[in-house]
Amino acid sequence: GNSVTQMEGPVTLSEEAFLTINCTYTATGYPSLFWYVQYPGEGLQLLLKATKADDKGSNKGFEATYRKETTSFHLEKGSVQVSDSAVYFCALTPIGGTYKYIFGTGTRLKVLA
Amino acid sequence: DVKVTQSSRYLVKRTGEKVFLECVQDMDHENMFWYRQDPGLGLRLIYFSYDVKMKEKGDIPEGYSVSREKKERFSLILESASTNQTSMYLCASSWRGGRRGTEAFFGQGTRLTVV
Repeated sequence: GNSVTQMEGPVTLSEEAFLTINCTYTATGYPSLFWYVQYPGEGLQLLLKATKADDKGSNKGFEATYRKETTSFHLEKGSVQVSDSAVYFCALTPIGGTYKYIFGTGTRLKVLA
Repeated sequence: DVKVTQSSRYLVKRTGEKVFLECVQDMDHENMFWYRQDPGLGLRLIYFSYDVKMKEKGDIPEGYSVSREKKERFSLILESASTNQTSMYLCASSWRGGRRGTEAFFGQGTRLTVV
């Protein structure tokens, strides 16, 4: 079946550090891949997405590349800020079927000043 | 901007009560979803609707039902609330599949406490 696995948190970084949050997936064919962010007490917001192999999604300094060969979609940012502290969810929606969204368990990021 | 609005941010209900969580979207989306979010478990799909009056069970439908009488509105019903239904509930909507890469849009969440 379809599934998403992302690294356990929490991740604690100092401001301006480099961020990587790993995400791997299992799916048939070519799913669409997403990263969502959730700030405290809020719903999820789309951060970036990629729809085919080798696509790079980017937004607000965050990037992730769709790697079909390693079934991965790792999130990266070159220099994190305190305001990036949030929970990050990797997700996919498979091609065909009922287009449900499948989420990882989330990774909490805490950035210290 | 797409807007998905959930009727309450915080709700406290008693065990055994019938609870209604309402969700409205303004983008004419065909698909609507109810998820439950618990620490360490991520988001789990309760129910999914792909059209008016149509619904599909998700991964954890037990103890819940849904209603979609109008395209823009999707209600989650806890028939008899129990303490193990204390959780954050998230509504989402999206366009029907076939549009590659279409994302889900989320409401702000309802934190339900059952006492």
